[in-house]
Amino acid sequence: GNSVTQMEGPVTLSEEAFLTINCTYTATGYPSLFWYVQYPGEGLQLLLKATKADDKGSNKGFEATYRKETTSFHLEKGSVQVSDSAVYFCALILTGNQFYFGTGTSLTVIP
Amino acid sequence: DTGVSQNPRHKITKRGQNVTFRCDPISEHNRLYWYRQTLGQGPEFLTYFQNEAQLEKSRLLSDRFSAERPKGSFSTLEIQRTEQGDSAMYLCASSFGTSPYYEQYFGPGTRLTVT
Repeated sequence: GNSVTQMEGPVTLSEEAFLTINCTYTATGYPSLFWYVQYPGEGLQLLLKATKADDKGSNKGFEATYRKETTSFHLEKGSVQVSDSAVYFCALILTGNQFYFGTGTSLTVIP
Repeated sequence: DTGVSQNPRHKITKRGQNVTFRCDPISEHNRLYWYRQTLGQGPEFLTYFQNEAQLEKSRLLSDRFSAERPKGSFSTLEIQRTEQGDSAMYLCASSFGTSPYYEQYFGPGTRLTVT
């Protein structure tokens, strides 16, 4: 079947620390991969995406590379800010129209 | 505000009652999606529409659930004979285009509590 596994949270970091949130997937075909972010009190927003192997998605200092050989799409940021505190969801979509989301990873950045 | 809107934001109902939620997508978006999210989990796909046609339904969408999108604009999700297991956040999202790879814009959700 198709599924996404994310590292469990919550994650707490100090401002300017390096962030990695692990995401691995299982898919029956060749998925597109996404990271969505949910800030407190808001709806989910697309953070970045990659549609084929070796693509790198990037946005707002966040990056993730589509690794087919390790079936991974880990999210990274070199220096987190307090404003990055949110819940991050990894997701995949195949040629159908169903998104498969991970369980989410809560990030808190402290000053 | 031209984002996706959902009403009501919160709904408390007694078991066995029927409830209906509404989603207003971004005006030019032809695709509309419904998801369910329970505490500590990611959103789970329920169904989607392209214009007024409901093209796919998840196995999660039991016979008690029905969704409509008349005239390809707003959509409603009705749950009949609610059960406590229906308690969740119901999310709506919309996108433009015929490809599923286009960005989905999510609404704030409707939180349902069944007592």
